[in-house]
Amino acid sequence: KQEVTQIPAALSVPEGENLVLNCSFTDSAIYNLQWFRQDPGKGLTSLLLIQSSQREQTSGRLNASLDKSSGRSTLYIAASQPGDSATYLCAVSYASDTGRRALTFGSGTRLQVQP
Amino acid sequence: DAMVIQNPRYQVTQFGKPVTLSCSQTLNHNVMYWYQQKSSQAPKLLFHYYDKDFNNEADTPDNFQSRRPNTSFCFLDIRSPGLGDAAMYLCATSRGLADRKGETQYFGPGTRLLVL
Repeated sequence: KQEVTQIPAALSVPEGENLVLNCSFTDSAIYNLQWFRQDPGKGLTSLLLIQSSQREQTSGRLNASLDKSSGRSTLYIAASQPGDSATYLCAVSYASDTGRRALTFGSGTRLQVQP
Repeated sequence: DAMVIQNPRYQVTQFGKPVTLSCSQTLNHNVMYWYQQKSSQAPKLLFHYYDKDFNNEADTPDNFQSRRPNTSFCFLDIRSPGLGDAAMYLCATSRGLADRKGETQYFGPGTRLLVL
């Protein structure tokens, strides 16, 4: 069974800092990995999607990397801003035991960027 | 423009009283998903529809049912809500299933369910 772990669970940084969020998964046979953002009481917004054949994706100040063999992904946020404060979740898609396509989420990292 | 719409945003129900949550989409996507997310936990997939093909997760309680009358709408029915069913319920859509290249899921804002 696929398990996704995110460390740390919470992070507080001053504005302007570069930071890294970590995600690990137990089954490397994934189709892709996504990073989502969730604001309090809201739904999820997809930030970046990395296919299993790719090693990284970039969007603005965000860069996500994927090391499938070691079961790890990182989300790098450059020059953090107070507006980046949110919970960041990673999710992997894979074929479950029943053959169904599944998306498994981590519990998220709650980020607070202090002005 | 809203693409995945969930109604209501907040729902209060009584213990054991059936409740229905609604999701609609303007993306014309084939797949619609329902997730349950409890406080500070990961979203957990309950089931999904690929067109009219219903796929239930193995550990989804029988208390949870779903209907998809057409491409645009999908409903989550909780037949007898318990206190443990209080959570955020997220609806999502995608063009195809998770193994397709470049596939991503689009989420609605969620419905927060409170059971009294």
